[in-house]
Parts: sequence; structure tokens; C-alpha cells
Amino acid sequence: AQSVTQPDIHITVSEGASLELRCNYSYGATPYLFWYVQSPGQGLQLLLKYFSGDTLVQGIKGFEAEFKRSQSSFNLRKPSVHWSDAAEYFCAVGQTNAGGTSYGKLTFGQGTILTVHP
Amino acid sequence: DTEVTQTPKHLVMGMTNKKSLKCEQHMGHRAMYWYKQKAKKPPELMFVYSYEKLSINESVPSRFSPECPNSSLLNLHLHALQPEDSALYLCDSSQGKILLRTEAFFGQGTRLTVV
Repeated sequence: AQSVTQPDIHITVSEGASLELRCNYSYGATPYLFWYVQSPGQGLQLLLKYFSGDTLVQGIKGFEAEFKRSQSSFNLRKPSVHWSDAAEYFCAVGQTNAGGTSYGKLTFGQGTILTVHP
Repeated sequence: DTEVTQTPKHLVMGMTNKKSLKCEQHMGHRAMYWYKQKAKKPPELMFVYSYEKLSINESVPSRFSPECPNSSLLNLHLHALQPEDSALYLCDSSQGKILLRTEAFFGQGTRLTVV
């Protein structure tokens, strides 16, 4: 079964510092990977996604992520964090057809809460 | 229009009430999803509709009743809920009848409180 692991439950960084959020996946084929951000009480906003091609993916708000097949990772990075980046971040993998049912279930990691200190 | 709109944004209901959540999209997507998200947890899939037909029910209690009256609209009817059902309910859509989930558009959610 597919799974996603975000090893860090909570990360604290200073404003202006660089950021890397880790995501590891378990998947039998080429995965379709997503990073979402969620502010408290809000919905999920898509930051970026990877399907194929260039393994370094650029997203919104200055975020990027690198797909590394050999490490089964899709880590999210930002060179300089802003206070407004404080939120919860979810990594997700899109599943293939399961049991003959074509419904494309998303599997989410447990999330990483980012705190930004001034 | 690349939005999924959920209404209401907030809902407080008693355990004997009947209420409905609404999700709407006009992107021509034929797959729509309901998720439940408790605080500090990832979203949990509840239901999936594909081409207006219920494809998946993730063993959700019958007090939650989904409905997809047309390709743009997804409802979640609520009846006799429990306080533990209080959560953020998220709607999501994508192109239907796909093998791989290559996209996902989430609404802003409905914050439900059951008292």
C-alpha cells in the first residue's frame, strides 16, 4: 500500500532562514506527488506538484521541491522564509487505480507545522 | 474558473438538527470528493463521486449522506451528528475516470461544530 511519511511534526525557523521540509513516500510505480499548505481553519492550497520530467519543481510563493527516486523523497525547500509562511504543510501522493476502482485517492502525510520566529 | 466553492464556511448544529454542506465547481470535473479533517491531522477521505455516481464510501457512518445532483454540485447531508463529528470538512475535485490522480482542487472547507 502507498504511504507518505513526513518525519518532522514541527519545525521552527527564523525569518530569512532557509527551509527544508522532508517527505518520503512508499509507492510501487512513478508517483504523482503534491505539496499543500494549510493555514489554521483554512482549506488546502496547492504549492507544487510533480508528475514527470524535470525533478526540480518550482511552485508558488517561492517554494521548490526536488524529486529523488533513489531516496523515495520529495522534499520541499525555500531559500528565505517569511513570517507569512507559518502554517501546516502536507505532502501527498496520488494513487493509481486500486482494486479496479478508478478514483485516484490521495494519500497524505501527517503534516509538518512550521513556526517562523521574527 | 479554477475554484471549488464550499458553503457555509462555518456551521454550528445541535445533535438533533439536519443540515447540509455544499460544494460547487465549474471546471468540468467529473470526480468530487469529501474529506474530514480533525485538528492537527491530515484529511481523511469520506466519499468519492465519479460521473455523479458514488464510487467510494470509506465506511462512513450513515448519519453522513452524500448527494451529487449534477456534475457541478456535491452535497453532504448531516443528521443526528455527534460532538466527535466536529471537524473541517473539505471538498476536492478532479477530472473523472482517471487512473492517476494528477490534480486536486480543494475548497476552503466548512468548519463544523456539533453541540
